[in-house]
Amino acid sequence: QQQVKQSPQSLIVQKGGISIINCAYENTAFDYFPWYQQFPGKGPALLIAIRPDVSEKKEGRFTISFNKSAKQFSLHIMDSQPGDSATYFCAASTTGSQGNLIFGKGTKLSVKP
Amino acid sequence: NAGVMQNPRHLVRRRGQEARLRCSPMKGHSHVYWYRQLPEEGLKFMVYLQKENIIDESGMPKERFSAEFPKEGPSILRIQQVVRGDSAAYFCASSPLSLAGAVTDTQYFGPGTRLTVL
Repeated sequence: QQQVKQSPQSLIVQKGGISIINCAYENTAFDYFPWYQQFPGKGPALLIAIRPDVSEKKEGRFTISFNKSAKQFSLHIMDSQPGDSATYFCAASTTGSQGNLIFGKGTKLSVKP
Repeated sequence: NAGVMQNPRHLVRRRGQEARLRCSPMKGHSHVYWYRQLPEEGLKFMVYLQKENIIDESGMPKERFSAEFPKEGPSILRIQQVVRGDSAAYFCASSPLSLAGAVTDTQYFGPGTRLTVL
């Protein structure tokens, strides 16, 4: 119930291509869905986040698509660049609860030049 | 505006020793979260603290682990009598308050402390 399932585990994309990472959840009380980017040896950095009242949010080359009925959300990275190579984590939490984030297991993205 | 600061960045301990990990939240943030990350895994919530108050420690192991966030100074995650299975990266995150005074959802992470138990 508290899990967030993330796929794929790893992803290889050519430079300029679109990277797509998917997450699914069960707990309908979740109402905050952030994506974090983590480089080796560094802490996770907030990339973009969405709430269930919108179906899509775009910031630069990064877009979150949210499907409330399917309980799924995804991250799209347009025009992927070698500098985007990192591990990406989706997460979910419930506003007003204790606030702790439930993380997916991560997707290791490699963008080939 | 400095981000979340953690020290030490790397910590090596022998089995049975104590590990103390420190976290200074972003300026103006009074809510701190600790997470643990095992190799090739996502982050797992451990504990959520406000100044002088533990709000949620549901993710904290019942024994050997404790956390505090005193009125003055950094938050401390303490692991007593460390074992090899404690080897992991420990991340601290902090959250600001909204204009209405409620904690926001956004969590900003520090660079982590990588604990190695020999």
